[in-house]
Amino acid sequence: DSGVTQTPKHLITATGQRVTLRCSPRSGDLSVYWYQQSLDQGLQFLIHYYNGEERAKGNILERFSAQQFPDLHSELNLSSLELGDSALYFCASSAGTVSSPLHFGNGTRLTVT
Amino acid sequence: AQSVTQLDSQVPVFEEAPVELRCNYSSSVSVYLFWYVQYPNQGLQLLLKYLSGSTLVKGINGFEAEFNKSQTSFHLRKPSVHISDTAEYFCAVSSIKAAGNKLTFGGGTRVLVKP
Repeated sequence: DSGVTQTPKHLITATGQRVTLRCSPRSGDLSVYWYQQSLDQGLQFLIHYYNGEERAKGNILERFSAQQFPDLHSELNLSSLELGDSALYFCASSAGTVSSPLHFGNGTRLTVT
Repeated sequence: AQSVTQLDSQVPVFEEAPVELRCNYSSSVSVYLFWYVQYPNQGLQLLLKYLSGSTLVKGINGFEAEFNKSQTSFHLRKPSVHISDTAEYFCAVSSIKAAGNKLTFGGGTRVLVKP
């Protein structure tokens, strides 16, 4: 058990809809990272938050947004969903230093129909 | 920017045989190196990491990796695999100058251990 909790585990929704994925980091971790895993793109970094502030952005679409709340949990919002957004979305947390390993949750599997 | 290439997408291996998973990286700055394992329906779990010092790094479950700066490689090895090692393995790098540990992953190598 990594200590990172992601909800829900599975999500099935229709094109055009909006969903919210939630992540609770390990106790004490200040950094939260979001990754997307798909068969064609592999593991892609989306965004990084540290103690509530955005630190880095990766290949995150404009339809996607995220935030980290004062209690350090994070939410990833995906809107105007397309079939190609179907993927496994992982949250990871770390202590925040550049050498700190990431601890991954079990992911949310999003299926857009 | 960094990139990571895992040269083998799939590696079949018999139980108790050795295995080597190859990883090469490209970066204009110094990097930290990691190997993660993903078991079916689970998240990624850290196997080992190289930050500095000895180029031979030992990790969990009997795995080890060797950092070769001149060849920009970080190959993962295990001398004797078990059925339970069947999983997907990811090599990853992060820039030592980055703000936070943003990882760039390779495409993964699926290891199938056969009895």
